[in-house]
Amino acid sequence: QKEVEQDPGPLSVPEGAIVSLNCTYSNSAFQYFMWYRQYSRKGPELLMYTYSSGNKEDGRFTAQVDKSSKYISLFIRDSQPSDSATYLCAMGKGSSNTGKLIFGQGTTLQVKP
Amino acid sequence: GAGVSQSPSNKVTEKGKDVELRCDPISGHTALYWYRQSLGQGLEFLIYFQGNSAPDKSGLPSDRFSAERTGGSVSTLTIQRTQQEDSAVYLCASRRLAGSSYNEQFFGPGTRLTVL
Repeated sequence: QKEVEQDPGPLSVPEGAIVSLNCTYSNSAFQYFMWYRQYSRKGPELLMYTYSSGNKEDGRFTAQVDKSSKYISLFIRDSQPSDSATYLCAMGKGSSNTGKLIFGQGTTLQVKP
Repeated sequence: GAGVSQSPSNKVTEKGKDVELRCDPISGHTALYWYRQSLGQGLEFLIYFQGNSAPDKSGLPSDRFSAERTGGSVSTLTIQRTQQEDSAVYLCASRRLAGSSYNEQFFGPGTRLTVL
């Protein structure tokens, strides 16, 4: 079993829809949770970063962490065609200072105009 | 300032040949990481460098893979006797300060390796 599981999709939604992306994990040592966005043939770029359980909002994006369920989500409101990309969840273990991240498989999102 | 750069952007090689992939991290970033991304897969950790400390090589898939970082800056990932299953995008990332609570890694555009 992988430490981090993410549904690869693809996910196709109409413009303006609310998108929900999810990851589950098995290791309770994870303390840092991130969402990266990766456009085609580009490197991933950090979208959201959270440390504790709860919600964090940034514009149209909301990251949610539920440590008790080992489940994290990314919500995108009013989705735009420019949001079409692959979204990768990533996690780090707080007990280590290496910053080594474990990534999910990535979910490919297409927002249709 | 400049981001993480990688070269070449694309590399096609024949099975059995050796390849070298280069990464130039962001200036002043002390930590450097290599990841591999196979088609439709997430990022797989390969190796991590932090300053003058011994690298964390725990993710290297075989002894055909090696990496070095010279002068705490540029890094080279070497794959010897390449196999078709080595075909993937190899991503490099750097991080400003290891040991800080903020873990953002900045990624380069990757090198797309194709082994024929």
